[in-house]
Amino acid sequence: AQSVTQLGSHVSVSEGALVLLRCNYSSSVPPYLFWYVQYPNQGLQLLLKYTTGATLVKGINGFEAEFKKSETSFHLTKPSAHMSDAAEYFCAVSLTGANNLFFGTGTRLTVIP
Amino acid sequence: NAGVTQTPKFQVLKTGQSMTLQCAQDMNHNSMYWYRQDPGMGLRLIYYSASEGTTDKGEVPNGYNVSRLNKREFSLRLESAAPSQTSVYFCASSEAVLRANYGYTFGSGTRLTVV
Repeated sequence: AQSVTQLGSHVSVSEGALVLLRCNYSSSVPPYLFWYVQYPNQGLQLLLKYTTGATLVKGINGFEAEFKKSETSFHLTKPSAHMSDAAEYFCAVSLTGANNLFFGTGTRLTVIP
Repeated sequence: NAGVTQTPKFQVLKTGQSMTLQCAQDMNHNSMYWYRQDPGMGLRLIYYSASEGTTDKGEVPNGYNVSRLNKREFSLRLESAAPSQTSVYFCASSEAVLRANYGYTFGSGTRLTVV
């Protein structure tokens, strides 16, 4: 079975500082991994995804994530936080042929001016 | 704009009342999903439809029914609402179940309160 753990339900960073949101997964086979962002009162938007190939994945809005199989991690980073990055971020995992995505419990990012 | 449309956006029900949440997508996706989102619990799958004419239970199906009316539309019905069903409901679609690597497109959600 697969699952996702997001470390830290709330993360605060100063504007211009590094953003690091942590995600670890458990899966018996190599998974597909996703990061979604949810702005207040909106649905989820896909930030980036890892399927196969290059382990460093670049997404929208300057975010990127690195798949590390040895650490079973898929942490999300952005070099310099912007006020508009304040939102809730969800990590998700699926397997080839799986019926659905399994979501983590989310991390709310606050950006301090 | 192309995407997933959910109606209504807000709803208040009394315990025991019934209602149907509507979802439509115009991306010609094969698969559609209903999730509920509760604080601290992430998103949990209620039901999904891999293709037109098929539906399957997800993680938390009790108290819900679904209908895949056609390729575009996938509705969620609460037959007898309970306060535990107070939640935000999201519909999503994807190209195909076996190609989950494409990711999902989500609607903007229905905020349901059962009193």
